[in-house]
Amino acid sequence: QSALTQPASVSGSPGQSITISCTGTSSDVGGYNYVSWYQQHPGKAPKLMIYDVSNRPSGVSNRFSGSKSGNTASLTISGLQAEDEADYYCSSYTSSSTLSVVFGGGTKLTVL
Amino acid sequence: QVQLQESGPGLVKPSETLSLTCAVSGYSISSGYYWGWIRQPPGKGLEWIGSIYHSGSTYYNPSLKSRVTISVDTSKNQFSLKLSSVTAADTAVYYCARSTRSDVDIWGQGTMVTVSS
Repeated sequence: QSALTQPASVSGSPGQSITISCTGTSSDVGGYNYVSWYQQHPGKAPKLMIYDVSNRPSGVSNRFSGSKSGNTASLTISGLQAEDEADYYCSSYTSSSTLSVVFGGGTKLTVL
Repeated sequence: QVQLQESGPGLVKPSETLSLTCAVSGYSISSGYYWGWIRQPPGKGLEWIGSIYHSGSTYYNPSLKSRVTISVDTSKNQFSLKLSSVTAADTAVYYCARSTRSDVDIWGQGTMVTVSS
């Protein structure tokens, strides 16, 4: 199964908004509303930020939002803060081959 | 508070079998959810290895399926990963995780496993 496609890096200044894309196929992102987003700081385990395309777990800032159009999902972070600098990964349920989950390659967010 | 803790050897020889265990506290594995493993090679992205449903059904990454076994021990409230015939490409941080069908809500802290002679 192929990984979902994310930009290698994005950047923004404090207070600005950024969007990270995650492109898959009709067998994963486009076929199901089961896209998740994770934030990972260096040396730490990933943290769930968005699930089922646009839902935030309890405790996650409402500055984080998710959406999907066709085979592409997006994570938007508004009001960028220094602590948002991290790697971000998308994932999706996939029906290709066997029941499984596929991750994106990850995006490094730099807060300028 | 649900917590997951990985344990196992940090060094495995090529061609041998990597074995890790994940101890779960604060939640009974037999109550629900999927329980699985995800790995991350140094400096690289996340790779889903596989998961086991509380009922015992297993789901594996097709690229690893021939070498992977995930099992559950409900009496000890833990689950395990076995990855056979390892090579240097299997060197990674291995995370155990609790998930729904598609998202991981609880992660272990991760354990580094190096494959080297």
